[in-house]
Amino acid sequence: AQTVTQSQPEMSVQEAETVTLSCTYDTSESDYYLFWYKQPPSRQMILVIRQEAYKQQNATENRFSVNFQKAAKSFSLKISDSQLGDAAMYFCAYTDRTSGSRLTFGEGTQLTVNP
Amino acid sequence: DTGVSQNPRHKITKRGQNVTFRCDPISEHNRLYWYRQTLGQGPEFLTYFQNEAQLEKSRLLSDRFSAERPKGSFSTLEIQRTEQGDSAMYLCASSLAWSTAYEQYFGPGTRLTVT
Repeated sequence: AQTVTQSQPEMSVQEAETVTLSCTYDTSESDYYLFWYKQPPSRQMILVIRQEAYKQQNATENRFSVNFQKAAKSFSLKISDSQLGDAAMYFCAYTDRTSGSRLTFGEGTQLTVNP
Repeated sequence: DTGVSQNPRHKITKRGQNVTFRCDPISEHNRLYWYRQTLGQGPEFLTYFQNEAQLEKSRLLSDRFSAERPKGSFSTLEIQRTEQGDSAMYLCASSLAWSTAYEQYFGPGTRLTVT
């Protein structure tokens, strides 16, 4: 079974600084997708960024980028120029074709942004 | 496109009562997922539908849980004889089955408290 692990329950960053959230996963599949979702307090989960395993190039969305290391099964999220609105719980998630595209989530990392 | 909606947003019930939640997906999405999220944890997959067919159920989904998606539109999740352990946030998500992106869009969730 696929598993996703986030080893940092909490992280903090100063406004305008850069922070990296870690995620590792385990799978025997070669074709899969990885995601970072953001869940602000009392608000719904939104997709931050997506990475296809067959793509070697790391995904980037504005201030958000990933470091995808397929051999190491590592998928970290880098947030540049952190803003107060980035404060949220961040979840790493995995899916593949054999799982009906259901998502397997990590435990989450609570990000605090200090002014 | 109004996004995924869920009703009610909050439900407080006494142990032993039955509850029903509703999810309205994004209109053109043919896949619909239910997840359960307990405090401080990542969401866990419960079940999913493609159109009106329920294609997979998690072992987490006990016999007291039932989900339907009549006519492939909205979905309902019913919990019979609620227990205190059922207290959680129930999340609904939708996606396009033929999308290569495998992106799921989440609703705001229904928070269930069993007293």
